[in-house]
Amino acid sequence: DSGVTQTPKHLITATGQRVTLRCSPRSGDLSVYWYQQSLDQGLQFLIQYYNGEERAKGNILERFSAQQFPDLHSELNLSSLELGDSALYFCASSVDTDSSYNSPLHFGNGTRLTVT
Amino acid sequence: AQSVTQPDIHITVSEGASLELRCNYSYGATPYLFWYVQSPGQGLQLLLKYFSGDTLVQGIKGFEAEFKRSQSSFNLRKPSVHWSDAAEYFCAVGPGGFGNEKLTFGTGTRLTIIP
Repeated sequence: DSGVTQTPKHLITATGQRVTLRCSPRSGDLSVYWYQQSLDQGLQFLIQYYNGEERAKGNILERFSAQQFPDLHSELNLSSLELGDSALYFCASSVDTDSSYNSPLHFGNGTRLTVT
Repeated sequence: AQSVTQPDIHITVSEGASLELRCNYSYGATPYLFWYVQSPGQGLQLLLKYFSGDTLVQGIKGFEAEFKRSQSSFNLRKPSVHWSDAAEYFCAVGPGGFGNEKLTFGTGTRLTIIP
């Protein structure tokens, strides 16, 4: 058990809809990362938050947004969903006190999103 | 920009046999290299990492990896696999001076263990 909790585990929705994925990081971890894992693209970094502030952006679409709350949990919002957004979305957390690779990523079990 | 290639999509080995998973990277300077494992229905877990120094690094679960600069490789090895090693393995590379947000993951190698 990594200590990172993601809800829901599965989500099925229709095109054009909006969904929210939730992540609770490991106790003590200040950073939250969001990744998208699809069969053709592999694991793609979307966005990172550190202690409530956005720190880094990856290949995140404008239709997607995220935030980290004062209790450090994070939400990833996906809107105007398309079939191609169907994927496994992972959250990972890390202590990241010195912004280096010294703090390993701890991954949640993911949310599987199916857009029909 | 860095990139990482895992040439083998799927590997099948017998329980007790040795294992080597290949990883090739592209990066101009000395990279930071990682291996993560994803068990079925789980998130990724760090197996080991290489930053500098001894090119043979030991990880958890009996795994080791060797950094070979001349071959731009960071192959993962285990002398004797167990059925519980069946999982997907991801190699990742990151540039120096940054953090986890700069990691590039390979597309993974799925390992199947047969009795």
